[in-house]
Amino acid sequence: DAGITQSPRYKITETGRQVTLMCHQTWSHSYMFWYRQDLGHGLRLIYYSAAADITDKGEVPDGYVVSRSKTENFPLTLESATRSQTSVYFCASYSGSEAFFGQGTRLTVV
Amino acid sequence: AQKITQTQPGMFVQEKEAVTLDCTYDTSDQSYGLFWYKQPSSGEMIFLIYQGSYDEQNATEGRYSLNFQKARKSANLVISASQLGDSAMYFCAMREISDRGSTLGRLYFGRGTQLTVWP
Repeated sequence: DAGITQSPRYKITETGRQVTLMCHQTWSHSYMFWYRQDLGHGLRLIYYSAAADITDKGEVPDGYVVSRSKTENFPLTLESATRSQTSVYFCASYSGSEAFFGQGTRLTVV
Repeated sequence: AQKITQTQPGMFVQEKEAVTLDCTYDTSDQSYGLFWYKQPSSGEMIFLIYQGSYDEQNATEGRYSLNFQKARKSANLVISASQLGDSAMYFCAMREISDRGSTLGRLYFGRGTQLTVWP
């Protein structure tokens, strides 16, 4: 099915663990993004990518790592999860006038 | 400076009435795109409408239209004939298209407007 999918939808992890959130899109959009959404902060950009092997930091990149070896995938890794990284994470992609979001991943760090 | 400003934290409208959600943007680029999204309580981000800076006509998609005033740098979303299902958070976003600096292509979001439609 065409679209943008995130996995997992829900994740509970412990402080200090590494966790990877996956994002896959089928449109071959050049740009992909990771946002986190928290009450009172709206959507904040973590990282984005203009194409395969091209990534750049957003507003809140600390504690996160991304890679983009293939156009369709843009995984986000929390190297050592902290409670402040408890949030809803959205992946998005766009090309031209189309910009779509994944369903979101609700991550809880305990 | 904020790239996208949504000055209405909350709006209320009666069912079947029209409502305008405000959005102003800040850019020195001539080429950019504007998006509106709806986020219902279930959490997904739903793409509603797009306006390019060079589009001469205001964008429309069903009951959604974008009141684009380039000189004022505003891109207000108009929802006609509101329905109860329109109750949601609405976000305005912008991307800069011209090749200026390292932030090319970023999607900037406003803080959102919570719309409540009452019967």
